[in-house]
Amino acid sequence: TQLLEQSPQFLSIQEGENLTVYCNSSSVFSSLQWYRQEPGEGPVLLVTVVTGGEVKKLKRLTFQFGDARKDSSLHITAAQPGDTGLYLCAGARGTNAGKSTFGDGTTLTVKP
Amino acid sequence: KAGVTQTPRYLIKTRGQQVTLSCSPISGHRSVSWYQQTPGQGLQFLFEYFSETQRNKGNFPGRFSGRQFSNSRSEMNVSTLELGDSALYLCASGPNAYNEQFFGPGTRLTVL
Repeated sequence: TQLLEQSPQFLSIQEGENLTVYCNSSSVFSSLQWYRQEPGEGPVLLVTVVTGGEVKKLKRLTFQFGDARKDSSLHITAAQPGDTGLYLCAGARGTNAGKSTFGDGTTLTVKP
Repeated sequence: KAGVTQTPRYLIKTRGQQVTLSCSPISGHRSVSWYQQTPGQGLQFLFEYFSETQRNKGNFPGRFSGRQFSNSRSEMNVSTLELGDSALYLCASGPNAYNEQFFGPGTRLTVL
């Protein structure tokens, strides 16, 4: 059973465009993480959100956790080729962050 | 601080063999989790260790096992390898088994 669904699965845009990717679940998570992964490497943690409605900004990236802590979004402003990669969301319940559930990811390609 | 390290980075084995993968967590981190990543299944949780005890276990057969040492280093073992075990095996460590995890670069296992 896939507990976290990410959309879109693939996204190809031009440099300078804005984009939003989504992470949805029917389950409540105590925390949610966003990672970016490049081919052949491990995921790199971008942000952790823990409070319903929380918004975090990391330069051109804006992360939001849904009020009910079941969904999240990642918005990138003025995308750059360096943003290319696989974006993964992961949810944890209680203190079981060591057993995170991952979405299948959104593969983003930013063309120069 | 040095990041999570995994050895070896690449491994080629044949069906029926066994393999041991090693993970050294970030200094001070006591939680170590293992994940299997394949194109078809995404990131799947294998197990998590905290202070030398297996805290959580995913839905993998008994051929997959692990352990954690007193210095928090961890190993995972796969016995009687099958073609379907070919994957990127990722190790992640966290400061206290809550919220954030930091991934290593992974071990790419190919079973022929």
